[in-house]
Amino acid sequence: DVVMTQSPLSLPVTLGQPASISCRSSQTLVHSDGVTWVQQRPGQSPRRLISKVSNRDSGVPDRFSGSGSGTYFTLKISRVEAEDVGVYYCVDIANWPSTFGQGTKVEIK
Amino acid sequence: EARLVESGGGLVKPGGSLRLSCAASGFSLNDAWMTWVRQTPGKGLEWVALIGSKSYPGRIDYIAPVKGRFTISRDDSENTLYLQMNSLKTEDTAVYYCTTSGLGLWGQGTLVTVSS
Repeated sequence: DVVMTQSPLSLPVTLGQPASISCRSSQTLVHSDGVTWVQQRPGQSPRRLISKVSNRDSGVPDRFSGSGSGTYFTLKISRVEAEDVGVYYCVDIANWPSTFGQGTKVEIK
Repeated sequence: EARLVESGGGLVKPGGSLRLSCAASGFSLNDAWMTWVRQTPGKGLEWVALIGSKSYPGRIDYIAPVKGRFTISRDDSENTLYLQMNSLKTEDTAVYYCTTSGLGLWGQGTLVTVSS
C-alpha cells in the first residue's frame, strides 16, 4: 500500500504569511495525478481543495497551490487567512487503499 | 446541487451490527465510484470500502481490518449507498463519511461508537 507522510504535523503561521506543507509517498507515483489535498476546518467535514496534484476545486482561493511529482508533493498557501485554520491531508486516490497523510494542523500564531 | 447525507450511526456493543445509509441528491449514485471513509482521533482519515460505478459492477473492495465484516452496497432505485457493519469492534469507533472516490463530495458524517 502507498503510505503518505506529511510534514510538519503542526504549523503555526502569522496572518498574511506563507505556509507550506509537504507530503512524501512511500513509492514513486507513476500516475501522480491521483495526489489530492483535503482541508478540514474545525467542526466540519473534509473538503477537497486540490486534485491531480495542482488542480484547484471550484471556489478554492488562488492562494492555495499544489505541486510535485514522483514521491514529493507540496501544498502552499501564499498568504494565510483566518479561514485557513484547520487540518490539511494529502492522499493518493489512484492507489487503493493508499493511506491519508497524518494531517497538518494549521493555526494562527 | 450534489449532496450526500449519512445516517444510521449510534452506540452499539462489541459484536453488534449497524447499517449506515448515505442518501445522494443532485446526481445519480450509480454513475459514480463511491467510498466510505472513517475518521478517528487517533488514526485520522482512513478508507473503509469502495464500490465502482455501474460500468464496473463487480468492483468492490475493503481495507483489511474490515474484510469479512463490512459490506458496501448501493440501491439505485433509492439513490442510496449503504455500509452494513457486522461483528463490530471497539476499534471501529469513528465518524463515517460517504464520499465520491475522488473526494470531491463528502457527507456530514455519522458517528459510530462501539462500546460495552
